Amino acid sequence: AQSVTQLGSHVSVSEGALVLLRCNYSSSVPPYLFWYVQYPNQGLQLLLKYTTGATLVKGINGFEAEFKKSETSFHLTKPSAHMSDAAEYFCAVSVPENNDMRFGAGTRLTVKP
Amino acid sequence: DSGVTQTPKHLITATGQRVTLRCSPRSGDLSVYWYQQSLDQGLQFLIQYYNGEERAKGNILERFSAQQFPDLHSELNLSSLELGDSALYFCASSPRGFTYEQFFGPGTRLTVL
Repeated sequence: AQSVTQLGSHVSVSEGALVLLRCNYSSSVPPYLFWYVQYPNQGLQLLLKYTTGATLVKGINGFEAEFKKSETSFHLTKPSAHMSDAAEYFCAVSVPENNDMRFGAGTRLTVKP
Repeated sequence: DSGVTQTPKHLITATGQRVTLRCSPRSGDLSVYWYQQSLDQGLQFLIQYYNGEERAKGNILERFSAQQFPDLHSELNLSSLELGDSALYFCASSPRGFTYEQFFGPGTRLTVL
């Protein structure tokens, strides 16, 4: 079955700094990859997803992620962090043939003024 | 607002009891998913229904069951509750299967005392 690993349960950056949240996946077939964000006391919201085609995916709020098959990675980046980006971020993987979705353990992003 | 509603928002009950959580999907979405989020287990997929039929099962305990009704709303039934069942339970919906964006509800926080 597919799986996903998020490196770093907590990431802290200064406002204006680059945000990099790491995600590596494991799948025997081409996966679909997702990044979701969870703000305090709310449900998850999709930031972006990769299915097929262009490997650089742009999402909401200035986030983007690049699918790198050779590295089995799907890292999330944002050039300049805002205070409002403070939240928990989840990487997820699904495979069309399997009726399943696996989430990573999450990365809590803190943005310092 | 994702368009997915969940009731109740909070639920406090005792060990051994049975509770029912309710979810109304976004208008037009045929798939409903249930997830459990806890500090020790993270976000775990429990079960999916598609147009009234069970489509996929994840890490759902035998004490838990779910169903989707003709109007597409869904209920998650948790019985013989244990302290370890205390968690946030999310419902999500999507137009079809796992490869589509899932829209998450605000969650039901269950506390078992």
